[in-house]
Amino acid sequence: EDQVTQSPEALRLQEGESSSLNCSYTVSGLRGLFWYRQDPGKGPEFLFTLYSAGEEKEKERLKATLTKKESFLHITAPKPEDSATYLCAVRRRDNFNKFYFGSGTKLNVKP
Amino acid sequence: DTGVSQNPRHKITKRGQNVTFRCDPISEHNRLYWYRQTLGQGPEFLTYFQNEAQLEKSRLLSDRFSAERPKGSFSTLEIQRTEQGDSAMYLCASSLVGDTEAFFGQGTRLTVV
Repeated sequence: EDQVTQSPEALRLQEGESSSLNCSYTVSGLRGLFWYRQDPGKGPEFLFTLYSAGEEKEKERLKATLTKKESFLHITAPKPEDSATYLCAVRRRDNFNKFYFGSGTKLNVKP
Repeated sequence: DTGVSQNPRHKITKRGQNVTFRCDPISEHNRLYWYRQTLGQGPEFLTYFQNEAQLEKSRLLSDRFSAERPKGSFSTLEIQRTEQGDSAMYLCASSLVGDTEAFFGQGTRLTVV
């Protein structure tokens, strides 16, 4: 069974304290790994797409990286407004019809 | 482009009633997805359309659930004879054909009492 596992489930940081979120996956042929941000009561907001090992994408304080087994979302000098749940999803090479999501990491950044 | 739009945002219904949700995707997107999300979990796949054709349906989706996308534009998700276990956030997303990302709407929060 394909799986997407995110860790930690929850993360508390002080403002300015950098850290990383992990997304490990076991799929039979990756056709894209996607990071989303979700605020309470709202739909997921797209952040990044990564397609191949070694690829990196950046946006403001966020940087996503990809290896053959996992992806990391690095948060540099976070601010309270970065507090949200970060979701990781994968798409399989032999099935474009769906995204498989992890359960997310709930990030809380304290001022 | 205003993004993916879902209506209503919230729905409270009594057990046994039927409910229908609407999704308007991004206009040039021909792929449309429905997902369900419960508290503390990631979104779970329900069904997928390419244009007006429903190409995949989750095995978890009971016969009480039906989705349509007439003319490949907006989509509706109907739940018949609702049960308390149907309480969840129902998310709609759309994307272009290819390996591209999907964009989600704000969701419809269903509460069955």
